[in-house]
Amino acid sequence: LAKTTQPISMDSYEGQEVNITCSHNNIATNDYITWYQQFPSQGPRFIIQGYKTKVTNEVASLFIPADRKSSTLSLPRVSLSDTAVYYCLVGDRNDKIIFGKGTRLHILP
Amino acid sequence: DTGVSQDPRHKITKRGQNVTFRCDPISEHNRLYWYRQTLGQGPEFLTYFQNEAQLEKSRLLSDRFSAERPKGSFSTLEIQRTEQGDSAMYLCASQDGTSSYNEQFFGPGTRLTVL
Repeated sequence: LAKTTQPISMDSYEGQEVNITCSHNNIATNDYITWYQQFPSQGPRFIIQGYKTKVTNEVASLFIPADRKSSTLSLPRVSLSDTAVYYCLVGDRNDKIIFGKGTRLHILP
Repeated sequence: DTGVSQDPRHKITKRGQNVTFRCDPISEHNRLYWYRQTLGQGPEFLTYFQNEAQLEKSRLLSDRFSAERPKGSFSTLEIQRTEQGDSAMYLCASQDGTSSYNEQFFGPGTRLTVL
């Protein structure tokens, strides 16, 4: 399982776009990149998953460069309710997922 | 609500007692996972089932821990002779192993406090 490195914490303001970058230098050919969001006292929630280039859904976008050694989760126009911990995970779709410490995102008014 | 339920939501017990937690996954999901999460850390993998078969156990799962998934439906996690270090949030997740995504759906967790 490839190890991931992401910032411990980030602050931003309401209405801003937030980009959280994750590095995964040892990503394997079969690995996908997945992001989860976790609010206090709740289980993590799947946000987005991708393999290469760009993936977009109603919640976020995921940008993956050609070498796949990093990825960026982009949250458009954040609100206070986006304050949470965001986990970047890398692994085979059929393997268990290993969580790191994640990035604590704090949105300020 | 993800469709995964856990019971109880909170459990306070004294050191040395046994506790059992239950997880009810999304009915059509064949995979079920257990995680433990302590304050400030990400969830740590404990074990997972595919249908009723327990396929992998973490080294974190000492011999005081046992998990079952009879008939491939709900699952239970039992901790015997609890220790204060067992205090944590215990999370269950289910997954459709046939899906093109490996999205796991997490329950709300059971918070265990060992006094």
